[in-house]
This record gives sequence, C-alpha cells and structure tokens, in this order.
Amino acid sequence: KQEVTQIPAALSVPEGENLVLNCSFTDSAIYNLQWFRQDPGKGLTSLLLIQSSQREQTSGRLNASLDKSSGRSTLYIAASQPGDSATYLCAVKSNTGKLIFGQGTTLQVKP
Amino acid sequence: DTEVTQTPKHLVMGMTNKKSLKCEQHMGHRAMYWYKQKAKKPPELMFVYSYEKLSINESVPSRFSPECPNSSLLNLHLHALQPEDSALYLCASSQEVGGTNEKLFFGSGTQLSVL
Repeated sequence: KQEVTQIPAALSVPEGENLVLNCSFTDSAIYNLQWFRQDPGKGLTSLLLIQSSQREQTSGRLNASLDKSSGRSTLYIAASQPGDSATYLCAVKSNTGKLIFGQGTTLQVKP
Repeated sequence: DTEVTQTPKHLVMGMTNKKSLKCEQHMGHRAMYWYKQKAKKPPELMFVYSYEKLSINESVPSRFSPECPNSSLLNLHLHALQPEDSALYLCASSQEVGGTNEKLFFGSGTQLSVL
C-alpha cells in the first residue's frame, strides 16, 4: 500500500530565504507526482507535476525534483515571500489512478 | 477557462435534511472527482467518475450519493448526514483518469457543517 510522508509538518522562515520541502513515498511504481498549494479553507492549486519518467520541473521560483528509485521528491522555493505562506501537499498518482496525498507542510514566511 | 466551480461555498444542514453539492467544469475534462477534507488533514478520495460513469467508490456510506448528469456537471446528494460528516468537500477534474501527465484541477470547495 502506497504511503506518502511529508517532512517537516510545519516550517517558519524569514522572508527571502530559500527553502526545501520534502516528500517521500513507499512504492516507486507511480504515474506522476504533483505538488499542490492550499490556502486555509480553500481548494488546492496545482503547482508542478512531474511525470514518472522525468527528474524535475520548474515554474518561476519553484523547482520540484523526483527520484523514483529512492522514493523522494523535493520542492525548492527560492527567495520566499510572505505570499508563499500556505500548506503545501505532495500527491502521488498510483497505477490504480488514485491520487494519494501526504499530510502536508504548513509554511509561514515572516516579513 | 481553467476553473472548477463549486456551489454553495458554505452549507449548514440538520441531520434530517436533504441537500446537494454542485460542481461544474468547462475544460472538456472526462474525469471528475469528489474528495472530503477534514481540518488539518489531506483530502480523502470519495468517488471518481470517468466518462460520466462511476469508476471508483471508496466505500463511502450511502448517505452520500454522487451523480454525473453530463460531462461538465457533478453532483453530490446528501441525506441523513451525521455531525462527523462536517468537512470541506472538494470537487476536482482531469482530462482522463489514467495517464502520466494528468493534472488535477480543484474547485474551492463547499464547507459543510452538519448540526
């Protein structure tokens, strides 16, 4: 059974710092991995999707990497801003088509 | 149009009420999903529709009844809910259920409170 773990559960950094969020999964037989952002009481916004054959994806200040063999993904946020404060969720799409979410990392960027 | 629209945004209902949640997308997606999210927890999959047919039911109690009238609409009918069913209900869509490059697009959710 696929399990997805995110570390840390919460993170507080000063504005301008570069930071890394971690995601690990137990079964390497995945279709893709997505990183989402969720603001309190709101829906999820897809940030990046990495297909199983890819190693990384970039969008603006965000870079996500995928190492299937070790069951790990990282989300790198450069030059963090207060507007980046949110919960970040990684989700793995299994071969059943289901999306399995990690517990999320709640990020606070202080001005 | 890359939006998934959910109505209502907030809903308060008693345990004897019948209500419906609605979801709409106009991206031509053929897969639609219902998720349930409790506070400070990740979303949990409830139902998946593929080409307007129910393809996955994650052993959801029968007091939740999904319906997909057409490829753009998804409803969730609620009846005789319990207070523990209070949660954020999220609708999502994607081009297809399978495939390696299928992004999920989520609506902003319906915050449901059962009294």
